[in-house]
Amino acid sequence: EVQLVESGGGVGQPGRSLRLSCAASGFIFDDYDMHWVRQAPGKGLEWVSGISWNSGRTGYADSVKGRFTISRDNAKNSLFLQMNSLRAEDTAFYYCAKAGTKNWYADFDYWGQGALVTVSS
Amino acid sequence: QSVLTQPPSVSGAPGQRVTISCAGSSSNIGAGYDVHWYQQLPGTAPKLLIYGNTNRPSWVPDRFSGSKSGTSASLAITGLQPDDEADYYCQSYDNSLSGSRVFGPGTKVIVL
Repeated sequence: EVQLVESGGGVGQPGRSLRLSCAASGFIFDDYDMHWVRQAPGKGLEWVSGISWNSGRTGYADSVKGRFTISRDNAKNSLFLQMNSLRAEDTAFYYCAKAGTKNWYADFDYWGQGALVTVSS
Repeated sequence: QSVLTQPPSVSGAPGQRVTISCAGSSSNIGAGYDVHWYQQLPGTAPKLLIYGNTNRPSWVPDRFSGSKSGTSASLAITGLQPDDEADYYCQSYDNSLSGSRVFGPGTKVIVL
């Protein structure tokens, strides 16, 4: 059974940093691209960032480019999102999502339960 | 403002058929990128419903179907059930935005 479990959410002050982690199990982690998708409370879904299976390719939404960094550790079946220079508008549930295939444009076939990040002083 | 456009809500009685449209442009759906659909039940994480325009994962009943034509896509739900009341999002890729996957704003399906 595929499982994605996010951790590291919480309250962060504007301008400070937080790091999210996602522990993956139930599939061959280094066979698949991985992504982060966020959802502000009561709002729609927003893709944040993605990383290819071998870390050779990354992508970021314009809203986080230059502030957030995605990475992965295939030996530990883990995905990360380093969030710097936090802003109030970064407040959201952050979902870890697995790509359906190695195609960079693939769907997200499994999602974690989400981690809430609240940016507030 | 979303690059993809969906109606805010659609409604239907149990057993009826409803459709949700997803309108894009020549830089996303019209450029040939696949459309995927997700269902989000209240208080839960999104779940994949349709991938690659028309394909259903094994856990999705055949009451759900997807289609794509030109710069638009559609999700149809037949035999509407109370448990289908949820938010539905279309998603694709847009080559005018750096590295960006794009989601529609979501459509609330209301079962009357």
